[in-house]
Amino acid sequence: VQLVESGGVVVQPGGSLRLSCAASGFKFDDYTMHWMRQPPGKGPEWVSLITYNGGYKHYADSLKGRFTTSRDNSKNSLYLQMNSLRSEDTALYYCGRGSGSSGIDSWGQGTLVTVSS
Amino acid sequence: DIVLTQSPATLSLSPGQRATLSCRASQSVRTYLSWYQQKPGQSPRLLIYDASNRATGIPARFSGSGSGTEFTLTIGSLEPEDFAVYYCQVRDNWLFTFGPGTKVDIK
Repeated sequence: VQLVESGGVVVQPGGSLRLSCAASGFKFDDYTMHWMRQPPGKGPEWVSLITYNGGYKHYADSLKGRFTTSRDNSKNSLYLQMNSLRSEDTALYYCGRGSGSSGIDSWGQGTLVTVSS
Repeated sequence: DIVLTQSPATLSLSPGQRATLSCRASQSVRTYLSWYQQKPGQSPRLLIYDASNRATGIPARFSGSGSGTEFTLTIGSLEPEDFAVYYCQVRDNWLFTFGPGTKVDIK
């Protein structure tokens, strides 16, 4: 299993950004996929999930509709569209594969998003 | 929203000792709880899912127990590579929440 995130950059407050996650080594369209983030020096925070066929998407309440997750099973890829970015969105963003009922069994290495003027 | 409390915040032990980490949820999550290990500069690694099931490749010295609101991660005999931060994480319907973590460091 390999998950590789990309798209993290320095962006100004109020800006937008799209992150990507390329998956390989497993049957991508069989799995629920997740986004998590981890601010520098802090613990991880769950961001969103999308079910295997994209039929259901769920988000952390704190995001208040600013983030949208999507997937393209033909490309084995997961995406996170982030709008109206704030300084508190600065974090390492991970994608992860859902496992069993409650776990996330594979994580990428993360892509760093810095929101700063 | 579910709030998770992990205790202690820091656990100072020696290699070979037993480690017992606690995670408490503000409301019942049945057995929808997982444990992760994170070392500096690395991504979190799943250890236990559904409260008591070891993930693939996880050594038998790691065990999880509990249900409802009280959960425990036990490391039977600490190896040098086990000194790290441990997070619990729960699922409530479609929402996931991580705990604040317990740091296991060398005494």
